[in-house]
Amino acid sequence: QQQVKQSPQSLIVQKGGISIINCAYENTAFDYFPWYQQFPGKGPALLIAIRPDVSEKKEGRFTISFNKSAKQFSLHIMDSQPGDSATYFCAARGSNYKLTFGKGTLLTVNP
Amino acid sequence: ETGVTQTPRHLVMGMTNKKSLKCEQHLGHNAMYWYKQSAKKPLELMFVYSLEERVENNSVPSRFSPECPNSSHLFLHLHTLQPEDSALYLCASSQGESYNEQFFGPGTRLTVL
Repeated sequence: QQQVKQSPQSLIVQKGGISIINCAYENTAFDYFPWYQQFPGKGPALLIAIRPDVSEKKEGRFTISFNKSAKQFSLHIMDSQPGDSATYFCAARGSNYKLTFGKGTLLTVNP
Repeated sequence: ETGVTQTPRHLVMGMTNKKSLKCEQHLGHNAMYWYKQSAKKPLELMFVYSLEERVENNSVPSRFSPECPNSSHLFLHLHTLQPEDSALYLCASSQGESYNEQFFGPGTRLTVL
């Protein structure tokens, strides 16, 4: 019930392309869904987040799409750049305020 | 220093050693966390401190012992670790227990021989 399933495990995209990372969850009590970005040698940093009363949130080239009925949410990176190459983690916050993380997606954007 | 800092950045220790990891946050937050990050596994929450009191202990073995002397500092004392404890240990902080936005340090890469 506390799991967040993330896919794909790794993703290679050409510069200028769209990167899409998907997450699915089971616990309907989750009420906050952040995405974290982690570069090598650094800790994760909050990228963008959404609450379940909104179906989409956009910040610059990054968009979260949220499907409450399907219990799925995804991160879209438009016009992907080599500097976006990093590991991305989705997460979900439960009623006890704990964050449950996905396993991560290693994104490589080729120039 | 800004944000969340962790020392040391790398640590190699034998199974019989005792060592400590240090975390310091410069953000004025009042909640601090320890996470374990292993390859191809989700981040695992280990401990949560809020206002210097431990509010979460996620079934972590007693060979890991946290300490929070004040709201800016967090330690993780290690003793008689196992090789499977090798991982990246991340410290994070947030304002309040709402866990909304957690700010992470760069981590300590621990190798247990």
